[in-house]
Amino acid sequence: NFMLTQPHSVSESPGKTVTISCTRGSGSIASNYVQWYQQRPGSSPTTVIYDDNQRPSGVPDRFSGSIDSSSNSASLTISGLKTEDEADYYCQSYDTNAVFFGGGTKLTVL
Amino acid sequence: QVQLQESGPGLVKPSQTLSLTCTVFGGSIYSGGNYWSWIRQHPAKGLEWIGYIYYSGSTFYNPSLKSRVTISVDTSKNHFSLKLSSVTAADTAVYYCAKVSLVDNWFDPWGQGTLVTVSS
Repeated sequence: NFMLTQPHSVSESPGKTVTISCTRGSGSIASNYVQWYQQRPGSSPTTVIYDDNQRPSGVPDRFSGSIDSSSNSASLTISGLKTEDEADYYCQSYDTNAVFFGGGTKLTVL
Repeated sequence: QVQLQESGPGLVKPSQTLSLTCTVFGGSIYSGGNYWSWIRQHPAKGLEWIGYIYYSGSTFYNPSLKSRVTISVDTSKNHFSLKLSSVTAADTAVYYCAKVSLVDNWFDPWGQGTLVTVSS
């Protein structure tokens, strides 16, 4: 078992770039894929990144994902921020027959 | 395109069993290649994985809930179900179901979620 730690909140201005981190507590971040989900108020989560750095169809290329073995973390980067990007973002990974979610990061675009 | 829809009582009394069903539309549970999962979200909190099931009936549960959780599948009705026993107010949450890729544990899509309140 392991934990995924995210910052509680981040904020940035429209048009800017923001990066949200997701640090794996034990074991290598590269061992298992990381997904990122966006959740707007009152809605269910939707995928913005899967398999570390893949974008589902329909997700703008302003969203990108990466992993960094040196910091044992995954990152979600959103460039050209829009007010519609304001939401909660969750990272997710897994181990043998177990699934783990990060605590979520509230992105404010102001 | 696969869609999922949760259904079940929105109010459950303490100590009773919470029961929910997730119906799959636009795809078959029997097709393989996927797990079928339950996730919950406490009010204003993060996501918690409850467990998942393969069409064959193999199940995997969150250890923190394992003693109270049963997930089952009915391929003839193309749905899967959640039972959570001995509920308390701490089980009040929005419950989601989702399709999960076997290959990479990617949860997509999710159902719209259903709020279950535990109260007398």
